[in-house]
Amino acid sequence: GNSVTQMEGPVTLSEEAFLTINCTYTATGYPSLFWYVQYPGEGLQLLLKATKADDKGSNKGFEATYRKETTSFHLEKGSVQVSDSAVYFCALLTGTASKLTFGTGTRLQVTL
Amino acid sequence: GAVVSQHPSRVICKSGTSVKIECRSLDFQATTMFWYRQFPKQSLMLMATSNEGSKATYEQGVEKDKFLINHASLTLSTLTVTSAHPEDSSFYICSARRNRQGVDSEAFFGQGTRLTVV
Repeated sequence: GNSVTQMEGPVTLSEEAFLTINCTYTATGYPSLFWYVQYPGEGLQLLLKATKADDKGSNKGFEATYRKETTSFHLEKGSVQVSDSAVYFCALLTGTASKLTFGTGTRLQVTL
Repeated sequence: GAVVSQHPSRVICKSGTSVKIECRSLDFQATTMFWYRQFPKQSLMLMATSNEGSKATYEQGVEKDKFLINHASLTLSTLTVTSAHPEDSSFYICSARRNRQGVDSEAFFGQGTRLTVV
């Protein structure tokens, strides 16, 4: 079956630090990969996505590259801000399935 | 991006009563909607998949008689928690997908409903 593994949090960084949140997956077929962000008390928002190997998704300074050889989709940002504090979820969707499979989420706390 | 509206955002109810949560896709048609439950510091647990005009498909372990789902139109799905108990207190989130098939059919999420049963 499909599964997504994320690094455990919380991750605490100072403002302007470099961020990496690891995500690896197992899936049948060729999944699309997603990062969602959840701000406190809110639902999920799509942050970025990649639909095939070697694709790079990017948005708001965040990037993630679909690495088929390592089955990974690590989230990175060069300089985090306090406003980036949230929970980040890695997820996958296979072409024939209709359901997203989520990782457990990683809480990011950015301090001044 | 497309907008999914969930209502109410917060609700407090007494034990034994029922609560209805609405999920609306405001600017697109959604053949399929999903209902998730999120426990504190945990990931989203898919409860059921709601298809317009047909019965919902529930995930294993989810009581369909307790969590009633109705998807009456292409823009509205409702989740009713019947005879709520304190253990039903949770954050419930809906998601809607456009009618397009394939992996580009992005899922849009509502803002969630915090249910507290007292």
